[in-house]
Amino acid sequence: GAVVSQHPSWVICKSGTSVKIECRSLDFQATTMFWYRQFPKQSLMLMATSNEGSKATYEQGVEKDKFLINHASLTLSTLTVTSAHPEDSSFYICSAPPRNRGIGELFFGEGSRLTVL
Amino acid sequence: AQSVTQLGSHVSVSEGALVLLRCNYSSSVPPYLFWYVQYPNQGLQLLLKYTSAATLVKGINGFEAEFKKSETSFHLTKPSAHMSDAAEYFCAVSVGDKIIFGKGTRLHILP
Repeated sequence: GAVVSQHPSWVICKSGTSVKIECRSLDFQATTMFWYRQFPKQSLMLMATSNEGSKATYEQGVEKDKFLINHASLTLSTLTVTSAHPEDSSFYICSAPPRNRGIGELFFGEGSRLTVL
Repeated sequence: AQSVTQLGSHVSVSEGALVLLRCNYSSSVPPYLFWYVQYPNQGLQLLLKYTSAATLVKGINGFEAEFKKSETSFHLTKPSAHMSDAAEYFCAVSVGDKIIFGKGTRLHILP
């Protein structure tokens, strides 16, 4: 079946550094990918919609300059957390709808846990 | 705006007992509703979905949910809980291409 893979699965970085998280669709092409953020014991908050070949669409309250999203190809989207701070520590999850999907059928990556010291 | 509300952040049931996880929705148009499950250290998986066909929807692992327009509800049930059902369950609604999730309910199974 369709698989979405994220890398790295966990990362620890120092405050002020930037961290890149990759999201790949392994056996299907995705013109759209979604990035979510999940705080401990809370729901997934949609951060942005990544669009292949064009700018990402950010949800209200999400800083575009803080969370840079690039969708360079039909199988890869990246999320870069710039100048990370401890409050950015979270679980970041990407998802993608395969073509010919049913409504709401998203495939999710395993998530990337970011810890900023 | 379309949204979902899950009642109860934690639910505990005994193994073999009925599982009932509650979800109410708010929508100005007929909604598409979903239940996703997140097992420990894994990504989310689609359990089942309602897309305006049958109001009683059957999903994987013996789960089902019933869409009740009069109650604006889409509760998830399973007749007999199994230890392997322990997980986080998310109710969700489709808003265009996006999926908006509820806060989640952690299901604990007691031996």
